Amino acid sequence: GQNIDQPTEMTATEGAIVQINCTYQTSGFNGLFWYQQHAGEAPTFLSYNVLDGLEEKGRFSSFLSRSKGYSYLLLKELQMKDSASYLCAVLDSNYQLIWGAGTKLIIKP
Amino acid sequence: ETGVTQTPRHLVMGMTNKKSLKCEQHLGHNAMYWYKQSAKKPLELMFVYSLEERVENNSVPSRFSPECPNSSHLFLHLHTLQPEDSALYLCASSQGEGHRNSPLHFGNGTRLTVT
Repeated sequence: GQNIDQPTEMTATEGAIVQINCTYQTSGFNGLFWYQQHAGEAPTFLSYNVLDGLEEKGRFSSFLSRSKGYSYLLLKELQMKDSASYLCAVLDSNYQLIWGAGTKLIIKP
Repeated sequence: ETGVTQTPRHLVMGMTNKKSLKCEQHLGHNAMYWYKQSAKKPLELMFVYSLEERVENNSVPSRFSPECPNSSHLFLHLHTLQPEDSALYLCASSQGEGHRNSPLHFGNGTRLTVT
């Protein structure tokens, strides 16, 4: 079966750095997405990786290793507004989007 | 205007009621989706429309009935729902045909409670 694993919940301190991991086992691979979802709001697109390596976008970076079936989202200089759920999703060989259950990130002052 | 608008934001209905969820996108996209989001579970894809034709129906019970009258509007008609159908129903749109490498744009969802 196809599976995406990410931690259920993480806690970090304002101003610090946090890394949210995502591992996947899917039938083929056509890219990996990260979305951010604040409570009661729509998920919003953060990043897309299809090649190995690190993609940086301001305070947020996303890393992919296809050989390891692994990605992480790195958030630097954490702010209170970064408290949200972070969803990992993989496009398989049939372009079906397989979703993780999300990681709830709690930022403490 | 926000890109994808869903109404209502909250809905409480009895098991014998009939109601409809509405979604409208202002992004010029040609694919639209219904997703179900339950607490601590992955998003579940329900229906996909591409160029107003249904291209995917993931074994969703017939008590959920989608309608896509044009590329900007999507409805989900609900009847004789069960309490386990209580969830957040998210509408999304994207450019291109179904899931490709273009990101999804989601609405804020309808929080549905079935009593």
